[in-house]
Formats: sequence, structure tokens, C-alpha cells
Amino acid sequence: QVQLEESGPGLVEPSQTLSLTCSVSGDSINSGGYYWNWIRQHPGKGLEWIGNIYYSGSTYYNPSLKSRITMSLDTSKNQFSLKLSSVTAADTAVYYCAREVVRGRYFDRWGQGTLATVSS
Amino acid sequence: DIQMTQSPSSLSASVGDRVTITCRTSQDINIYLNWYQQKPGKAPNLLIYAASSLQSGVPSRFSGSGSGTDFTLTISSLQPEDFATYHCQQSYHIPRTFGQGTKVEIK
Repeated sequence: QVQLEESGPGLVEPSQTLSLTCSVSGDSINSGGYYWNWIRQHPGKGLEWIGNIYYSGSTYYNPSLKSRITMSLDTSKNQFSLKLSSVTAADTAVYYCAREVVRGRYFDRWGQGTLATVSS
Repeated sequence: DIQMTQSPSSLSASVGDRVTITCRTSQDINIYLNWYQQKPGKAPNLLIYAASSLQSGVPSRFSGSGSGTDFTLTISSLQPEDFATYHCQQSYHIPRTFGQGTKVEIK
């Protein structure tokens, strides 16, 4: 059974960089066939797709956040990561990592989510 | 970006009711439309992919239909565990986009 788990600091100061990691178990992120995604949900709001990364390292980012995002893979640890720079209170949200099936284009596995709060 | 409009934004229904939620997209997305269920404090869970394909393990009372710009999620007989928020999502274009959600509450 594939499982994803987010980790990272719960509190980030304004203008700093939010760094999150998604640890994957039960599948190799090197196996192909999947995109590895970050999605966020502002409190009481809908879902916002942030971007994804393929096992080759190629990335797609949401244009609304593109200038502040960096995604990367650590295949030795079977993890992928998100860095969001210059954060403001508007970046306070629950952040999910999720696996997207390339062929079917749907998110079939999600982490439990981690709340990141931007505050001084 | 492809805009997603779900309706209604919330509804009240009773156990056993038939419930229908609609999702309209700002452009033709063929059948690249997925539906998720989300319970409070939990991650979304895939119900339907490619507009009408039932995800493995999802009860058959859930069904999806539509193509192009108009899609529907139907729960044939609402069960107590179905009270949740439902999200549609398009996978035709990058960026992936979601509807604003439909909250199904107990009447």
C-alpha cells in the first residue's frame, strides 16, 4: 500500500522560505508512471494545485506561484520536496503531497496534509 | 487557466436521498474530469476519474457522467458516511484546477 507523508515546520516567518518534504513508502518515485504533486488548501477554502515533478526531474508549476517555487527529488530517500520563497500570510494553508497517475491524470494517493502557518 | 464552477456550493439532504452535484468548466476538457470526497481534517479521496470511471473500492452508489464542459456526480442513495465536501478537478491542462467544493450536510 502506497503511503505519502508530509513533514516540515509548522510555523514560518514572513518573507522566509517554506520547506516541505513528502516521504513515499510502498512505491519508488523512480518507477515512472506517476507525477509527484503538491496541492494546498487555505483554511475553509478549495484546493489549489502548486506543481509537480516527474522521476526524470522535469517539473510543471502553477504560473501563479512559479516565481517562488522550487521542487526537487531525493531518490536515495524516496522523497520529494517543495520550497516556497518569500512567504506571506496568504501562504498559510494545509499542504498536501499527492501522487498523480500519468496515464489517467488523477490524484490517487494523498498524504494526510500538514498545516503551514506564516506568522512572526 | 480553466475555471471550474460547482453547484450548489452546499446542500442539505437526508439519508436515502438521491443527490446530484454539477461541475461546469470554462472550456472543453473532453472527459478529463475527476471527483474527490473530503471529510473534515482529512485529505481528499478519489471517487471518480475520467468523468465516469469508478475508483477501486468506492461504493457503486457513486457515479459520474458528462463530457466537454458539463459534468455530474450522483449519489444514488445517500448514506451517513457520505456527508462530506465534494470537489471536481480538471486534468486536461496545466495548471490543474479544482472547483470550489460542494458541502453535503445532514437535513
